[in-house]
Amino acid sequence: DIQMTQSPSSLSASVGDRVTITCRASQTIRTYLNWYQQKPGEAPKLLIYLASSLRGGVPSRFSGSGSATDFTLTISSLQPEDFATYSCQQTYTSPRTFGQGTKVEIK
Amino acid sequence: QVQLQESGPGLVKPSEALSLTCTVSGGPLSNYYWTWIRQPPGKGLEWIGYINYRGSTNYNPSLKSRLTISLDTSKNQFSLKLSSVTAADTAVYYCARGDDVADNWLDPWGQGTPVTVSS
Repeated sequence: DIQMTQSPSSLSASVGDRVTITCRASQTIRTYLNWYQQKPGEAPKLLIYLASSLRGGVPSRFSGSGSATDFTLTISSLQPEDFATYSCQQTYTSPRTFGQGTKVEIK
Repeated sequence: QVQLQESGPGLVKPSEALSLTCTVSGGPLSNYYWTWIRQPPGKGLEWIGYINYRGSTNYNPSLKSRLTISLDTSKNQFSLKLSSVTAADTAVYYCARGDDVADNWLDPWGQGTPVTVSS
């Protein structure tokens, strides 16, 4: 199985901060990498698909980049509604696997 | 817009089978891939498997021997059956829609249904 490792596991940030979350795959996954946002008690929501494509309706402050094994999710200016857990997922091969999640908390 | 809703028992006894159904509204099952995912308490997401509109399946090898995912196009539903459950199967179970080529991404998701395995 491909292991997906996110860093950091959690972070504290203030409204307006630029936030970067990384996801590393144990082998190349080309650009088959998605990012999801999950708030407590809610289902995950797709933010970014295929590494850098922004899902319709998702604010442009979210962006994704990377290829092969190293990927980044960036929030350019953190908003109050962005405090949540973010997870990456590879869909290059089966079984699909997720990162362990990065919790973004209020500083 | 497409919406998904999971349903099924919230409590299952060890060694018994877990059966869940995902009802899809606002769009047909055809032309898409349909996926199950679970999240144990306090842990990350785990991909269970998918079924496509033709009825072809792809299962997580760690669950394959106990798992069946099926499709009922007449009811616009797809289902999961996991046999011989243990406490390790306790989780929130989600259903989600993949894209029209594979499950390259998952969108939207159902709200999730919690399942506890306990006697």
